[in-house]
Amino acid sequence: SQKIEQNSEALNIQEGKTATLTCNYTNYSPAYLQWYRQDPGRGPVFLLLIRENEKEKRKERLKVTFDTTLKQSLFHITASQPADSATYLCALPQGSSNTGKLIFGQGTTLQVKP
Amino acid sequence: NAGVMQNPRHLVRRRGQEARLRCSPMKGHSHVYWYRQLPEEGLKFMVYLQKENIIDESGMPKERFSAEFPKEGPSILRIQQVVRGDSAAYFCASSPPSGSIYEQYFGPGTRLTVT
Repeated sequence: SQKIEQNSEALNIQEGKTATLTCNYTNYSPAYLQWYRQDPGRGPVFLLLIRENEKEKRKERLKVTFDTTLKQSLFHITASQPADSATYLCALPQGSSNTGKLIFGQGTTLQVKP
Repeated sequence: NAGVMQNPRHLVRRRGQEARLRCSPMKGHSHVYWYRQLPEEGLKFMVYLQKENIIDESGMPKERFSAEFPKEGPSILRIQQVVRGDSAAYFCASSPPSGSIYEQYFGPGTRLTVT
């Protein structure tokens, strides 16, 4: 069955450094992959989508890569700030990409220290 | 431009009662999704609806749970005869009717506690 894995251990980094989060998946070939941010007690917020034919995508301080051979996506936050502290979720379409049904990873919690 | 709205934000029910969770999608959005997040677990897809149609309910428990998205009014997730294991955060998301259905916009969630 389709499976997504994110590092369950929290990532602690110093302000100004680059944070790199990993999302690995098995048993299928998604047409796209998404990253969301979730703060405690709140709903996820969409950040970026990358399609299978795109190697890299950027948005301000965020960068996402998508390696369909390794079945892995990396999510980078450059010049990190304490306000970036949150849980980051990786999501993939389940089954047909037209259903809109997403499966989410467990999320990785990022803590940026001033 | 209001985002996805959910109410109530917090709901407490005793075992055996019914829970009704409401979701108003973003203006112009006609696709609604419901997800459940159990403590210390990830988000799990429950159901995908369009106006007056259930498109995919493969993530819904077979019994006690139902969802609807009527022509007028919010989408409703209904849980009958709640049990303690139903305690979770329930999130609704919406996406626009045309073009990309990829990006989903989430509401703040309803936290259901069953006592």
